[in-house]
Amino acid sequence: DAGVIQSPRHEVTEMGQEVTLRCKPISGHDYLFWYRQTMMRGLELLIYFNNNVPIDDSGMPEDRFSAKMPNASFSTLKIQPSEPRDSAVYFCASSPSHNEQFFGPGTRLTVL
Amino acid sequence: GESVGLHLPTLSVQEGDNSIINCAYSNSASDYFIWYKQESGKGPQFIIDIRSNMDKRQGQRVTVLLNKTVKHLSLQIAATQPGDSAVYFCAALNDYKLSFGAGTTVTVRA
Repeated sequence: DAGVIQSPRHEVTEMGQEVTLRCKPISGHDYLFWYRQTMMRGLELLIYFNNNVPIDDSGMPEDRFSAKMPNASFSTLKIQPSEPRDSAVYFCASSPSHNEQFFGPGTRLTVL
Repeated sequence: GESVGLHLPTLSVQEGDNSIINCAYSNSASDYFIWYKQESGKGPQFIIDIRSNMDKRQGQRVTVLLNKTVKHLSLQIAATQPGDSAVYFCAALNDYKLSFGAGTTVTVRA
């Protein structure tokens, strides 16, 4: 198995632009998680899905952030419009249960 | 909710020595804990986990100890190697969500 796949690995954009991050979870995993990692706040859970359904989005910072999971093998995290304070590394993780989570390599987002 | 914190942000250890990384959690209802290792430019990688009905679990060169009385968790790495240099996170599961500590950066001296 290739593990969790994320794209792009790096994204540089200008303030106000729309950003879409993509994730392919490990096949057979029913849970998918989106995290954000910054030096100041560490790893923060943004949202998680179970069987493609969003279960808890209480970590999504504001309405500019949205996440979808149209099928079991694909999820997106969208920021529109992006702001410099959104600069961070965004991780996607998947899990066969609520326990051990397998992380992708992350997308490093820089908003200028 | 859950608050997870590490005692030391950095740890420098001589190659071949044992390393101990400590972590404290706040919610006594947390029942599952994981240690992750994150190398530069990569995502966190699972090292070892432990459930609240245990107080010790061993893996390959790693041991996790759980003290529920004082809500303390530790990771011991035996015979630390250069490849062990990384940031180590503890995480606690509560209400179906993992809460991560800030991370301890371990540097192995040759």
